[in-house]
Amino acid sequence: GAVVSQHPSRVICKSGTSVKIECRSLDFQATTMFWYRQFPKQSLMLMATSNEGSKATYEQGVEKDKFLINHASLTLSTLTVTSAHPEDSSFYICSARETSGSTDTQYFGPGTRLTVL
Amino acid sequence: GNSVTQMEGPVTLSEEAFLTINCTYTATGYPSLFWYVQYPGEGLQLLLKATKADDKGSNKGFEATYRKETTSFHLEKGSVQVSDSAVYFCALRTSGTYKYIFGTGTRLKVLA
Repeated sequence: GAVVSQHPSRVICKSGTSVKIECRSLDFQATTMFWYRQFPKQSLMLMATSNEGSKATYEQGVEKDKFLINHASLTLSTLTVTSAHPEDSSFYICSARETSGSTDTQYFGPGTRLTVL
Repeated sequence: GNSVTQMEGPVTLSEEAFLTINCTYTATGYPSLFWYVQYPGEGLQLLLKATKADDKGSNKGFEATYRKETTSFHLEKGSVQVSDSAVYFCALRTSGTYKYIFGTGTRLKVLA
């Protein structure tokens, strides 16, 4: 099946710094990618929908100025956590939507664990 | 609002035991229902899905039936293997959207 990668898999940063997470679709083009956040023992919660060439659509309660999303190409979306604080520590997962022919499937990345000290 | 509730884990079974992981949902309209599996260090993989009432999704020996009357989509497997050890997520997607709502995940551990 299609593969979605995330980089880095783990990152530790100091409070106040910014962190960029990349999501790539490796063997298909994705006009739409999604960013999720998962707290321990909780559901994946959708943060935003990233559309290639346009602004991301954020879910209610998600700060767009804190979580910057850029979908500059059909295979890459980035999530930048700006001025990170310990409460931003979480597991971030992206997914990419493949639509080709009769296919309409989302493929998930392996996730990035962010720890803010 | 829409939501998914699945049983808390971890679930620990012996090899060849019968598996059931319960999942119930709340949704407006007619959602599609999914089970995803996440093996250690990997991304979520689609295990099976059902798009309308009474549909049965199946894959790799796992099955789940879309029960509208009980708003459930329980995951079952007749004989689990050690390699089935993973975290299983139940999810729904409401019609006309591409947004998923996930349950909290259930960790399954199968002992040899």
